[in-house]
Amino acid sequence: GAVVSQHPSWVICKSGTSVKIECRSLDFQATTMFWYRQFPKQSLMLMATSNEGSKATYEQGVEKDKFLINHASLTLSTLTVTSAHPEDSSFYICSARAFGGAQYFGPGTRLLVL
Amino acid sequence: GNSVTQMEGPVTLSEEAFLTINCTYTATGYPSLFWYVQYPGEGLQLLLKATKADDKGSNKGFEATYRKETTSFHLEKGSVQVSDSAVYFCALSDEGSGSNYKLTFGKGTLLTVNP
Repeated sequence: GAVVSQHPSWVICKSGTSVKIECRSLDFQATTMFWYRQFPKQSLMLMATSNEGSKATYEQGVEKDKFLINHASLTLSTLTVTSAHPEDSSFYICSARAFGGAQYFGPGTRLLVL
Repeated sequence: GNSVTQMEGPVTLSEEAFLTINCTYTATGYPSLFWYVQYPGEGLQLLLKATKADDKGSNKGFEATYRKETTSFHLEKGSVQVSDSAVYFCALSDEGSGSNYKLTFGKGTLLTVNP
């Protein structure tokens, strides 16, 4: 149980395009979902917290107009990187928190912007 | 604010050696504590957790005890295997109201186990 999926796992795009990443909790309902960014050999950096049906809460320094988050249901959240640039290339990881439980992480999406 | 400090790596051990990765924390309130493991190229997997003082989390031979008096949550395993090679993250979750249960991570410790 407690499986979180992400799609796609890999994406390569041209500079200036937008990329959407999906995060799904497959066998539980997530009260809250989180989006992280991880640079090579570094820890995870929390980008934003999203609750179903409400606006995401962004961490300081994260551009909300660039990283659009939609939390449409208790099992789905999406992150859209708008007008992507090479500096947005990174490993993006989502997590979902079950009722009263730990956070469960997706397998990550590796984004490369050319 | 909350913070997690964990032993910096890398840690290199021989198979069947004893493992300890130290983790200490500072937090307001009463956090839950976690160890996550990340294998190369993958996301994080929950390894074990403890939600209150003196709780012991355990999984796959790994153990950690929530020590409130020393604000620690050290990870231990009696006999490591090559397949345990990964990055280990200590984390705490702010359980206070309005916190949204955000996780605060340590910087991670790379463990390499040689045959």
